[in-house]
Amino acid sequence: GESVGLHLPTLSVQEGDNSIINCAYSNSASDYFIWYKQESGKGPQFIIDIRSNMDKRQGQRVTVLLNKTVKHLSLQIAATQPGDSAVYFCAETPPGNQGGKLIFGQGTELSVKP
Amino acid sequence: EAQVTQNPRYLITVTGKKLTVTCSQNMNHEYMSWYRQDPGLGLRQIYYSMNVEVTDKGDVPEGYKVSRKEKRNFPLILESPSPNQTSLYFCASSWGTGDYEQYFGPGTRLTVT
Repeated sequence: GESVGLHLPTLSVQEGDNSIINCAYSNSASDYFIWYKQESGKGPQFIIDIRSNMDKRQGQRVTVLLNKTVKHLSLQIAATQPGDSAVYFCAETPPGNQGGKLIFGQGTELSVKP
Repeated sequence: EAQVTQNPRYLITVTGKKLTVTCSQNMNHEYMSWYRQDPGLGLRQIYYSMNVEVTDKGDVPEGYKVSRKEKRNFPLILESPSPNQTSLYFCASSWGTGDYEQYFGPGTRLTVT
C-alpha cells in the first residue's frame, strides 16, 4: 500500500487500552483543529474537529482536548482496536480560513497489539 | 458510494515529460484541493478550488497547474516534471471552505527520474 516512509513518533498500545495521541500546534489564532487518520495505502480520513472556543469534544470512542494555553491538542481513543492502527495527523486552520487551507502536523503512528 | 478517485495510482516518468493526474468526486462538493505528502514534511497544499473556474495557490504551487472546468473534476498538471516533484499526491474535496471534513482520494505515487 501507499505509505510515505516517515520515521514518525510511534505509540504502541495493547488492544482494549485507551490511547492518547498528542499534537503541538503552531498558531494561537487558528480557528479549528482537526484530527485525521491515515491507514496504510489510503488517503487521510476525517475523525473529529474542534473549534478554538471549545476545550473538549467527544465523538464515537474518540475525544479531542484542546489546551490553548500551551497550544496543545490531544486525541483520546477509548478501547483501542486493531483497526485503529494508522498514522494520525492533527491539522489546524489559519485565522480567517484562507481558502479552506489545512496545515497538517507530522503525524503519529499508532500500533495496536492484539 | 461517495468517493474521490484519482488516476493513475502509480506513475513513473522522466524529467520534462508533461503529465496529468486526474481527480474526480461524486459528492457534488464545491471545494477541491491537491496536497503532496513527503517524509518529514507532512501534507502540504498545492492548489485549491472553491468552485468551477475558481482556483488559487496553496503553499507549494510552483511547477504545478490546475483547472476546474467541471464541478466534479480537478486535474493536476505537471507541465515539466522534475525529480523534486517525486511525491505522494492526494486530491481532496469538501462541501465548502468552512467544512473541514475533507474527503481524500487514495493517492497517486509519482516518481520522476
